[in-house]
Amino acid sequence: NAGVTQTPKFQVLKTGQSMTLQCAQDMNHNSMYWYRQDPGMGLRLIYYSASEGTTDKGEVPNGYNVSRLNKREFSLRLESAAPSQTSVYFCASIQASGGTEAFFGQGTRLTVV
Amino acid sequence: GNSVTQMEGPVTLSEEAFLTINCTYTATGYPSLFWYVQYPGEGLQLLLKATKADDKGSNKGFEATYRKETTSFHLEKGSVQVSDSAVYFCARHPGGGSYIPTFGRGTSLIVHP
Repeated sequence: NAGVTQTPKFQVLKTGQSMTLQCAQDMNHNSMYWYRQDPGMGLRLIYYSASEGTTDKGEVPNGYNVSRLNKREFSLRLESAAPSQTSVYFCASIQASGGTEAFFGQGTRLTVV
Repeated sequence: GNSVTQMEGPVTLSEEAFLTINCTYTATGYPSLFWYVQYPGEGLQLLLKATKADDKGSNKGFEATYRKETTSFHLEKGSVQVSDSAVYFCARHPGGGSYIPTFGRGTSLIVHP
């Protein structure tokens, strides 16, 4: 199984440019998440989708939008990139809340110059 | 709100030393508890889990026991190897219909030969 696949792996943007990070999972999971990881800050939740058709804000949603395209795919869009959005972004999925673990993608390293 | 607190790193050890990484969590509801490991350039992956009080999770020589009375889930390994060098995250996954897992900030482990 591929698990959780994120694209691209690396990206450099200029301030003000837009881009979409793609995420797909092949495990039929209900819930999907976008996190950013910054040094000393751990993982911070940007947006999540508890189930197909729903999305909700996490801890740091400003400057981002998401789309749960179908059960498999959950994309993250930066409409106007800022240097503060330089980070490593991770997509994750979970079958259900409770005792099942989260599966993570390999991450997207984004630099905004 | 829900939170997970883990000891700050880096933790630096010599090969074959004993490892403890402390983790405490908020006791709201009936969470499941997890340790994830992140190797350089990769996403998080499950190391071990425990779904109820007094359960012990174990994998690859690592162990952690779900202690409800002390709200703790400390990670231990009797003899670390250089290949254990990574970042370790403690996490609580809520039950009862909540969909947001909470992660600690991560503890970097460096093992020297």
